[in-house]
Amino acid sequence: EAGVAQSPRYKIIEKRQSVAFWCNPISGHATLYWYQQILGQGPKLLIQFQNNGVVDDSQLPKDRFSAERLKGVDSTLKIQPAKLEDSAVYLCASSFDGTTNEKLFFGSGTQLSVL
Amino acid sequence: DAKTTQPPSMDCAEGRAANLPCNHSTISGNEYVYWYRQIHSQGPQYIIHGLKNNETNEMASLIITEDRKSSTLILPHATLRDTAVYYCIARSNSGYALNFGKGTSLLVTP
Repeated sequence: EAGVAQSPRYKIIEKRQSVAFWCNPISGHATLYWYQQILGQGPKLLIQFQNNGVVDDSQLPKDRFSAERLKGVDSTLKIQPAKLEDSAVYLCASSFDGTTNEKLFFGSGTQLSVL
Repeated sequence: DAKTTQPPSMDCAEGRAANLPCNHSTISGNEYVYWYRQIHSQGPQYIIHGLKNNETNEMASLIITEDRKSSTLILPHATLRDTAVYYCIARSNSGYALNFGKGTSLLVTP
């Protein structure tokens, strides 16, 4: 079974530039999550989609971060403009229908360095 | 979601059992206890979860105390590939996403 696909694997940009990350969840998974993981910390949820609707974006810095999942399948996360503190690994995860008693499957992440 | 407390780091000799503790004293009746691990440069990987009863699968065993205020993840025969950060998470019915803490960094030594 194919896992959660993310690209690019690494990205280096300068502050104030824009960057976008792409995620393709496991086929048939309705729920998609974006997490941010700063070095030395656990992943922090940025946004959760159920199909193409947003369930939770309370921790998404909406002045610079945006995410979409237009057709309820793959998703993009954008940062514009980037700040130094955005340097982190951005993880995408998916689950079948987002209920409590099920597991999340994670991609390998995109490591972002903002210089 | 209930807060969980884990030791920041642990060591284990290869071939021995690794017992990773987690305190969740404020856990509510409908919150599951989940365990994930994260190997360097990879995303978190599901290990096991439970509500009240002890659980076992091909990867590990989960022992939950009767009062549900703490649990222990047991890796019965640790290998070098089990070196990772292990996260214990209490997950409620009101939210779907997992809220990760800092976890326990387990080092398995030869």
